[in-house]
Amino acid sequence: NAGVTQTPKFQVLKTGQSMTLQCAQDMNHEYMSWYRQDPGMGLRLIHYSVGAGITDQGEVPNGYNVSRSTTEDFPLRLLSAAPSQTSVYFCASSYSAQGIYEQYFGPGTRLTVT
Amino acid sequence: ILNVEQSPQSLHVQEGDSTNFTCSFPSSNFYALHWYRWETAKSPEALFVMTLNGDEKKKGRISATLNTKEGYSYLYIKGSQPEDSATYLCAFETNAGKSTFGDGTTLTVKP
Repeated sequence: NAGVTQTPKFQVLKTGQSMTLQCAQDMNHEYMSWYRQDPGMGLRLIHYSVGAGITDQGEVPNGYNVSRSTTEDFPLRLLSAAPSQTSVYFCASSYSAQGIYEQYFGPGTRLTVT
Repeated sequence: ILNVEQSPQSLHVQEGDSTNFTCSFPSSNFYALHWYRWETAKSPEALFVMTLNGDEKKKGRISATLNTKEGYSYLYIKGSQPEDSATYLCAFETNAGKSTFGDGTTLTVKP
């Protein structure tokens, strides 16, 4: 199993550009999440999905869209990049083991917006 | 927004020292408390998940305790080694799998 994969690993955008961060998992996990990690801070939840066709907002959703058309894929779209979105983005997937969700993280995407 | 706090923010110890740090979380709507280990340039990896008040978990030299009534968990490392250097994150899980992370404690172990 490849686990959770993310592409690209690094990206530089200009203010106003749009792009999609890709996330895929091959573990058949129903739950997937996107987090951002800023210096000195932990992981903040952007959006999450409890299954194909279902998404919901997390703590910091503004400026980001998601969709979940398949169990495997959970792309994150930046509609109009801003310098405040410079961050490291982590995708995670999890499944319910007796009602508890342990998360498996991808390698991260480092995004710089100039 | 749930408040999950970790202290201290960073810690520098000598090889062989034992150390501990704290995760504080809301005492209501508790479902599970997770500890993750996050090495530089890698992804967070699960260490422990705890669900019951009084729970204790152990993995080698690392152990954790849980007090859901007062809303805290301790992570202990006995005889720290340089390879223990990492950021340790706790995450408070509510019903339906949504987790709120603390900002982490960064441990540096000097040889």
